[in-house]
Amino acid sequence: RKEVEQDPGPFNVPEGATVAFNCTYSNSASQSFFWYRQDCRKEPKLLMSVYSSGNEDGRFTAQLNRASQYISLLIRDSKLSDSATYLCVVRGTSGTYKYIFGTGTRLKVLA
Amino acid sequence: GAVVSQHPSWVICKSGTSVKIECRSLDFQATTMFWYRQFPKQSLMLMATSNEGSKATYEQGVEKDKFLINHASLTLSTLTVTSAHPEDSSFYICSATASGRTDTQYFGPGTRLTVL
Repeated sequence: RKEVEQDPGPFNVPEGATVAFNCTYSNSASQSFFWYRQDCRKEPKLLMSVYSSGNEDGRFTAQLNRASQYISLLIRDSKLSDSATYLCVVRGTSGTYKYIFGTGTRLKVLA
Repeated sequence: GAVVSQHPSWVICKSGTSVKIECRSLDFQATTMFWYRQFPKQSLMLMATSNEGSKATYEQGVEKDKFLINHASLTLSTLTVTSAHPEDSSFYICSATASGRTDTQYFGPGTRLTVL
């Protein structure tokens, strides 16, 4: 079983739609969680950290469910510029700062 | 703040040659740097973790004699792909963590290596 799993997609949605991605992780002792965005042939860029209480940043909402070991990202009112690959990232257990990346979920927002 | 640069951004080389990639933290001291590799349509795979002044820690399956990592200062780490072969063609990305902010990795723009 992969340490971090995501549905690779692609998710094709019309502009203005709401879309949700899920991610599951296998290590229950994982410490920190993030969503990164990666555009084609570019480096990943931090979209948002994910906190236990859930957090929101504009059109983006992230949730963490430790009991079920999954993380979600909700994008409301999708824009064409949201088209990218969204990477779920889990930081290793205490004492290591390694990031473990999911394979990413591709999103295409269509006009 | 927290800018990481990589050089070169892309390189094409012949099979059998060695290629050096530099990763620099421009406005902070990087206690730890990480080297990743990403093949097309795959996610980033950690190759090694590098701490300034000490030997790099390589992930399982990564040949330390083929991928030489040097972290000589708090702002510079280098990855040398020795005797490169076509299967080493990939997107190599470094990241760095700052002192006191180890939870956040700052990524460089990546280096695209093509081995002919």
